[in-house]
Amino acid sequence: AQRVTQPEKLLSVFKGAPVELKCNYSYSGSPELFWYVQYSRQRLQLLLRHISRESIKGFTADLNKGETSFHLKKPFAQEEDSAMYYCALNDYKLSFGAGTTVTVRA
Amino acid sequence: EAGVAQSPRYKIIEKRQSVAFWCNPISGHATLYWYQQILGQGPKLLIQFQNNGVVDDSQLPKDRFSAERLKGVDSTLKIQPAKLEDSAVYLCASSPPVGSGNTIYFGEGSWLTVV
Repeated sequence: AQRVTQPEKLLSVFKGAPVELKCNYSYSGSPELFWYVQYSRQRLQLLLRHISRESIKGFTADLNKGETSFHLKKPFAQEEDSAMYYCALNDYKLSFGAGTTVTVRA
Repeated sequence: EAGVAQSPRYKIIEKRQSVAFWCNPISGHATLYWYQQILGQGPKLLIQFQNNGVVDDSQLPKDRFSAERLKGVDSTLKIQPAKLEDSAVYLCASSPPVGSGNTIYFGEGSWLTVV
């Protein structure tokens, strides 16, 4: 069963515009959620995790248990934010969504 | 700090042939993972090792895939015989001992094309 859903395959925004990547999950307990990012020609790496409640590279993500969502947001997108983004849920193993490709245009 | 090392980076084989991928995790990382990433999909866990023991291999197609981590350090993933649908990127990852954070560090991946 799909446990992490990223409904948008592709997302294109202009530089300076806000960007929001959607992530919904299905899990009955208290989830541990992450966002991973893969820049062109680089390895998959952790962007942020919900338990640390930190902002990385201007990105934030809030866990909404009522809506079972963990959307990733940035108020002003930069060209260097162009990448593939994966939402992931960890219980005893890490399950990834299908990913969203973000393109930030000048 | 050296990252997770994988080899080979690229491999093209014919169906029914065999292939092996090697992974060396970050020093001191007890947990090692193999993920399969098919084009257009997110990574899918194939097998997870804790030291040299298997924690989870529920999604490993055991009729054709095998993996080992004999000395609790590096690991090998083998496919025999390969099928066309095995074409994917095989990602190795590792994480530090429990209590040191749950961050998983990924290698660059081994790209497999089965023709």
